[in-house]
Amino acid sequence: DTAVSQTPKYLVTQMGNDKSIKCEQNLGHDTMYWYKQDSKKFLKIMFSYNNKELIINETVPNRFSPKSPDKAHLNLHINSLELGDSAVYFCASSQEFRGSYNEQFFGPGTRLTVL
Amino acid sequence: GQNIDQPTEMTATEGAIVQINCTYQTSGFNGLFWYQQHAGEAPTFLSYNVLDGLEEKGRFSSFLSRSKGYSYLLLKELQMKDSASYLCAVYNTNAGKSTFGDGTTLTVKP
Repeated sequence: DTAVSQTPKYLVTQMGNDKSIKCEQNLGHDTMYWYKQDSKKFLKIMFSYNNKELIINETVPNRFSPKSPDKAHLNLHINSLELGDSAVYFCASSQEFRGSYNEQFFGPGTRLTVL
Repeated sequence: GQNIDQPTEMTATEGAIVQINCTYQTSGFNGLFWYQQHAGEAPTFLSYNVLDGLEEKGRFSSFLSRSKGYSYLLLKELQMKDSASYLCAVYNTNAGKSTFGDGTTLTVKP
């Protein structure tokens, strides 16, 4: 059973398009995250949701809009894609927000290429 | 804010021991994680330290000194499959998030 799953695994699109990435976790965790990992392998947090509520927004452009329909799902919609958005996007989850322990479980990543 | 430093790259020989260092300066600290990331894959959990000292888990050990803002990951009896990026992450409970270092790419050679 996959703990954290993302779709699609690969996404190739033109500049200016709008695209979505979906994430689901079956671990029963309360908190979910979106990370961006660029070509230099820097892993940067973008958003964090706790039980469907936005908790962390790391000054990400408002072209990026996360949505959490329930605590097991966190989707990422990106409007007006730009070349600089090309990266690998990882979804992750952890048991609870501000818990004493924060091991994160990562999805397989979505490699986004903007042409 | 958080400032986390790791060497960018390291090379070691199969069968040897390698130590990957991580130093941090943070406004809050509630634990330090090490993750392993193979090329093209997701990061996976390796270890967690919240108290000073050494945590051993098989071939991998992780050390923490909170007063020095310092941790290291020790890999023994290196195998080719240990070639990967190793990410140090500092957890801040108040902020509700872990901040990741930029990772150390380890190459194990025969």
